[in-house]
Amino acid sequence: EAQVTQNPRYLITVTGKKLTVTCSQNMNHEYMSWYRQDPGLGLRQIYYSMNVEVTDKGDVPEGYKVSRKEKRNFPLILESPSPNQTSLYFCATVAGVNNEQFFGPGTRLTVL
Amino acid sequence: AQRVTQPEKLLSVFKGAPVELKCNYSYSGSPELFWYVQYSRQRLQLLLRHISRESIKGFTADLNKGETSFHLKKPFAQEEDSAMYYCAPLGAGSYQLTFGKGTKLSVIP
Repeated sequence: EAQVTQNPRYLITVTGKKLTVTCSQNMNHEYMSWYRQDPGLGLRQIYYSMNVEVTDKGDVPEGYKVSRKEKRNFPLILESPSPNQTSLYFCATVAGVNNEQFFGPGTRLTVL
Repeated sequence: AQRVTQPEKLLSVFKGAPVELKCNYSYSGSPELFWYVQYSRQRLQLLLRHISRESIKGFTADLNKGETSFHLKKPFAQEEDSAMYYCAPLGAGSYQLTFGKGTKLSVIP
């Protein structure tokens, strides 16, 4: 079954404690992306990756890092989380054939 | 600058009533247009894309290049249509979607 998975699904942490949210896809898609979803603001892109070792900033990259060492994984790293990073995070991939984006189930992050 | 406007944050309609969720875009070139839907506590999923010209779950959307609009319509709303709806243009040759802020549709029984 084609899918995008994220872990953890829920995370409560404290300011400054480094964390990583993993994203994995089994569709062999080249393009992967991270979004954050906030009430009234919709989805905003954090980072994206066109392929292995190729990453670029989206609209709201401050405070985040990513890496793409292999095609299937695209982890999101928060080196020093702050309360304004409390949000719902979605990973997504794109099917090159028809440009459909496939989303992960989301990770709800709370930074105290 | 690329911009997507969904003017209604919340739209409430009665079951059986027609629904129209508005989307206007400002985009260079000829973008491809999508509607994504997010049901409660679920991930976003593709609802429809303009180039396929298909109807999904009774929804249709017509691309009006003159008005740069891509409104989503359904003649008779159902309770299960209650969800967040996002309009999203995709620039030609790009994989980067620009999402609108979304419209929450609430269908009243």
